[in-house]
Amino acid sequence: DQQVKQNSPSLSVQEGRISILNCDYTNSMFDYFLWYKKYPAEGPTFLISISSIKDKNEDGRFTVFLNKSAKHLSLHIVPSQPGDSAVYFCAASANYGGSQGNLIFGKGTKLSVKP
Amino acid sequence: ETGVTQTPRHLVMGMTNKKSLKCEQHLGHNAMYWYKQSAKKPLELMFVYSLEERVENNSVPSRFSPECPNSSHLFLHLHTLQPEDSALYLCASSQGLGEKLFFGSGTQLSVL
Repeated sequence: DQQVKQNSPSLSVQEGRISILNCDYTNSMFDYFLWYKKYPAEGPTFLISISSIKDKNEDGRFTVFLNKSAKHLSLHIVPSQPGDSAVYFCAASANYGGSQGNLIFGKGTKLSVKP
Repeated sequence: ETGVTQTPRHLVMGMTNKKSLKCEQHLGHNAMYWYKQSAKKPLELMFVYSLEERVENNSVPSRFSPECPNSSHLFLHLHTLQPEDSALYLCASSQGLGEKLFFGSGTQLSVL
């Protein structure tokens, strides 16, 4: 059973508008969440993260929101640019007795930003 | 440039071949990982090494054999693979277990 779910395989947005990518998780032990971006023929690159003690983290055009009660996080990109077109992966890990577990990834959402 | 280098970038092999994938990290990290990415599936963790010791093996078939000679290098030895093993194989490293991963560009493997 998937612990990290990205239910939208793809998203298309107009340049300059907001892109919202969603991620749901099932494991209530998850306490560290990350977003990765992947271009074709390249490995994923880290974008932004959030700890469960926060509900928002912002870095330039990218903001991640965490709703622990709903077990939901989202990545907002504003304004969206054509260079943001990529596959975005949500990932999460849990702390088990002081040891951080491995990252669990979702299937990814392919974002297309149209000029 | 993420500091994690993988070679080769592309590999085509027959089912009876033996080949190896190589990964090198220049970040001074203590943990290294092999992931498999198949189409329309989440990234699947295959192996984890921490300080050159294997700490996790996620029920990976024995036709995949990892080797970590030191904290900077990681290999994945392949033998008698199946066509369904065709995928993108990604190496990653992190400062410690469970921390932010830095990925290489991957090896796109095709098994004929």
